Amino acid sequence: AQRVTQPEKLLSVFKGAPVELKCNYSYSGSPELFWYVQYSRQRLQLLLRHISRESIKGFTADLNKGETSFHLKKPFAQEEDSAMYYCALKNTGFQKLVFGTGTRLLVSP
Amino acid sequence: DTGVSQDPRHKITKRGQNVTFRCDPISEHNRLYWYRQTLGQGPEFLTYFQNEAQLEKSRLLSDRFSAERPKGSFSTLEIQRTEQGDSAMYLCASSGGVTLYYEQYFGPGTRLTVT
Repeated sequence: AQRVTQPEKLLSVFKGAPVELKCNYSYSGSPELFWYVQYSRQRLQLLLRHISRESIKGFTADLNKGETSFHLKKPFAQEEDSAMYYCALKNTGFQKLVFGTGTRLLVSP
Repeated sequence: DTGVSQDPRHKITKRGQNVTFRCDPISEHNRLYWYRQTLGQGPEFLTYFQNEAQLEKSRLLSDRFSAERPKGSFSTLEIQRTEQGDSAMYLCASSGGVTLYYEQYFGPGTRLTVT
C-alpha cells in the first residue's frame, strides 16, 4: 500500500536558520513526489515536484529512492515560509494523490 | 478565471440530513478530483473524473456518497443520511489543459459540520 509519512507535526525555527521537513514514502513502483503548501487562510497549492528538479522560493527536495525519502530543504528560513507543508505521492498511471499528515513550519523573527 | 471554486464554503447540517456540494474547476481542465480532510490529517482521495467519466473511486466513498460530473464541467458531491463522522473539509481539485507537468489545483474547500 502507498503511504506517506511526515514524522514532525510542528517544526519551529528562527529566521535565517536552515530548514528540513522530512518525508518518507512506501511504494513499490516509481512514484512521483510533490510538496504542497498551505499558507494561512489560503488554499492548498503546489510548491514543487521531484520530476522538475527545480528550486521554488529557495526550497529544494531531492528524491532518494534508496531511503524512500523526499525531504524539503531551505538553507535560510524566512518568516513568510510559515505555513503547513504536505508531502504527496502519485502512482504512475493513476491520478490520485496520497498525502502525508503535514508539518506546520513556524519561522520566528 | 479565478481558479477552482466551491460552494458552499460552510455547511452545518443535522445528522441524517442530505447535503450536496458543488465544484467548478478551472475551465480548460478535464480532470476533477474530490478529497476529504479531517482535523490533523492530510487530504484523503475520494474520487476522480476525467471529463464526465468517474474513473477512480476510493473505498472511503461509502454508499452514502455519490459524485457526478454530468457535462464534464462542474461536479457535485452528495452525502446522504449524514453522520457525525462525515464532518470534515471537502476539497475539490482540477488538472489538465495545456500544462507541461501534472499539477492539481485546489479549491478553497467546503467545511461540513454535522451536529
